[in-house]
Amino acid sequence: DQQVKQNSPSLSVQEGRISILNCDYTNSMFDYFLWYKKYPAEGPTFLISISSIKDKNEDGRFTVFLNKSAKHLSLHIVPSQPGDSAVYFCAARPSNTGKLIFGQGTTLQVKP
Amino acid sequence: KAGVTQTPRYLIKTRGQQVTLSCSPISGHRSVSWYQQTPGQGLQFLFEYFSETQRNKGNFPGRFSGRQFSNSRSEMNVSTLELGDSALYLCASSLEILGAGANVLTFGAGSRLTVL
Repeated sequence: DQQVKQNSPSLSVQEGRISILNCDYTNSMFDYFLWYKKYPAEGPTFLISISSIKDKNEDGRFTVFLNKSAKHLSLHIVPSQPGDSAVYFCAARPSNTGKLIFGQGTTLQVKP
Repeated sequence: KAGVTQTPRYLIKTRGQQVTLSCSPISGHRSVSWYQQTPGQGLQFLFEYFSETQRNKGNFPGRFSGRQFSNSRSEMNVSTLELGDSALYLCASSLEILGAGANVLTFGAGSRLTVL
């Protein structure tokens, strides 16, 4: 049972444009949602998080939106840069636990 | 400060063997968790330790086990290896302050296990 899903395995955008990565979840008992970025041969690195009681969080070029009624979150990267090319994972934290449930990942390619 | 350190980075084993992977968390981090990454499956949660106690466990068979030492360092062991155990095994640590928000996990670079 995949509780967190990233339905798009890959996304390609032009440099300077917006990248939108999507994630859906099925469990209402998550208290935080996080996005991680992963380059080959490296561990995932944290990008941005959002509490389940918020609907938007912004950090520089990265903004995460949470739509609780649709059980959907998205990561917007504006403007996209070639260095953003990586695999992006969304993750959800079950309330009061230390574990994360990850989606399958979306490979983002930003073309110069 | 030093990040999460995992050893070995790469290893090759044959079916039926066992393997032990090691993880040194960031200094001061008391929570250590392990994840398995395989192509198309994302990161699957294995287990989480806090103050030497297993606090959460994922849906993996009993061949997968782990422990945490008093200095917060952690090891995971996989016995009777199967071909399907070939994966990247990632360790993560967090500071775990109650009420501090998302308690972000910091990951190591992983241990790439190949089972032949």
